[in-house]
Amino acid sequence: AQKVTQAQTEISVVEKEDVTLDCVYETRDTTYYLFWYKQPPSGELVFLIRRNSFDEQNEISGRYSWNFQKSTSSFNFTITASQVVDSAVYFCALSGLNRDDKIIFGKGTRLHILP
Amino acid sequence: DTGVSQDPRHKITKRGQNVTFRCDPISEHNRLYWYRQTLGQGPEFLTYFQNEAQLEKSRLLSDRFSAERPKGSFSTLEIQRTEQGDSAMYLCASSRGTSLQETQYFGPGTRLLVL
Repeated sequence: AQKVTQAQTEISVVEKEDVTLDCVYETRDTTYYLFWYKQPPSGELVFLIRRNSFDEQNEISGRYSWNFQKSTSSFNFTITASQVVDSAVYFCALSGLNRDDKIIFGKGTRLHILP
Repeated sequence: DTGVSQDPRHKITKRGQNVTFRCDPISEHNRLYWYRQTLGQGPEFLTYFQNEAQLEKSRLLSDRFSAERPKGSFSTLEIQRTEQGDSAMYLCASSRGTSLQETQYFGPGTRLLVL
C-alpha cells in the first residue's frame, strides 16, 4: 500500500526564518514519483516539484530546496528566508510509475509565516 | 495554456438535491482527474479519464456519483441525492498523459456545502 505521512500539522515561523516541512512515504514500488504541492487560501493546488525515485540528487529552486533520502523514505522541503506569501498548506504526494496514475497525498502541513 | 478551470467555484445545496460540476482541462491534455478534499485532509482520488474513456473509479465514488467526459475535452461530475457528507472541495486536474506519469495540474476547485 502507498502512504504519505506529514507529521507536522501546523507550523508557525517568523518571516525570514528558514523552515523545513517533513514528508515520509511508504510504497512497495521500486520506481515512483514524489511531489510537493502548495495550496494557498484561494484553494488551488500549485505544483512545486516532481522527483523521480531513481534521482536522489537534491534540488534547489530559488528559496525552495528539497532533500530526497531514499534510505529513510523521506522527501523534505525547506523554505529559506521565508516570506508571508509562503503561508499556505503544503502537500507531499506519491504516485507509481506506469500505474494508474492516481496521486496519493499526505494530509498537509499548514504553514503560517508571521510578519 | 490557460490552466484548468472549474465551474462553479462554490455551490450550496440542500440535502437530497442533485448537483453538477464542470471541469475544463488544459487544452491538449488528454488525461483528466477528479479528486475530493475534505477539511484538514489531502485530496483523495475519485476517478480519471484518458480522453473520453473512464479508466478507474475509486471506491469513494458511490453510485450516487457519476462522471463523464463525452468528447474527451471537458468533464462533468454529478452527485445525485446529495448528503451532508458530500460537503467537500472537488478538485479537477489534467495531464498530458503519455505512457509515464505526467505532472497533474489542478484547477481552483468547486467547494460544495450540503445543508
